[in-house]
Amino acid sequence: AQKVTQAQTEISVVEKEDVTLDCVYETRDTTYYLFWYKQPPSGELVFLIRRNSFDEQNEISGRYSWNFQKSTSSFNFTITASQVVDSAVYFCALNMDSSYKLIFGSGTRLLVRP
Amino acid sequence: KAGVTQTPRYLIKTRGQQVTLSCSPISGHRSVSWYQQTPGQGLQFLFEYFSETQRNKGNFPGRFSGRQFSNSRSEMNVSTLELGDSALYLCASKINLNTEAFFGQGTRLTVV
Repeated sequence: AQKVTQAQTEISVVEKEDVTLDCVYETRDTTYYLFWYKQPPSGELVFLIRRNSFDEQNEISGRYSWNFQKSTSSFNFTITASQVVDSAVYFCALNMDSSYKLIFGSGTRLLVRP
Repeated sequence: KAGVTQTPRYLIKTRGQQVTLSCSPISGHRSVSWYQQTPGQGLQFLFEYFSETQRNKGNFPGRFSGRQFSNSRSEMNVSTLELGDSALYLCASKINLNTEAFFGQGTRLTVV
């Protein structure tokens, strides 16, 4: 069975703190893709990153970084020096070559307080 | 370039009615998929179309249907609306089946 677990329902931090959002996935496919999306109050899901199962290199984009570890089936997302504009719900998602539908986690609501 | 456009943004319908939602994908994208988002069930896959063919379908009743036109625009239809169909319906487009999905702002449907 395929599944994505985001155990953190809600995280609250003060601006400029670093915060890590956890994502654990399950799949039996050898080829799969992992994603992070941000959903601000407007409702649109904003694409942040896509990773395939053969690329375990960590990635950094500005204040955002991602740590992909196949050994623990995790794809964690870190925001460095958080800002109020980072407040949103963040979703981790998975899809496979056997089925291209996105399987989403339940999301983590991040609140960054000034 | 323009993003994914969904119309209408908001809808209020009565139980038993039917509704049609529209989605215009990013230019050049051939895949359109639909998702339902509710507080209780989260984000759930409805179906995906690629080159006018339904490629995949989620676990929803037959009241939920869709189609894709030759210009890649897609419509989703829900017949005999139920209160539980109240949700945010999100459309996403992709260049191909295994690339990243870009989402529209959604249509918020309220069934009363």
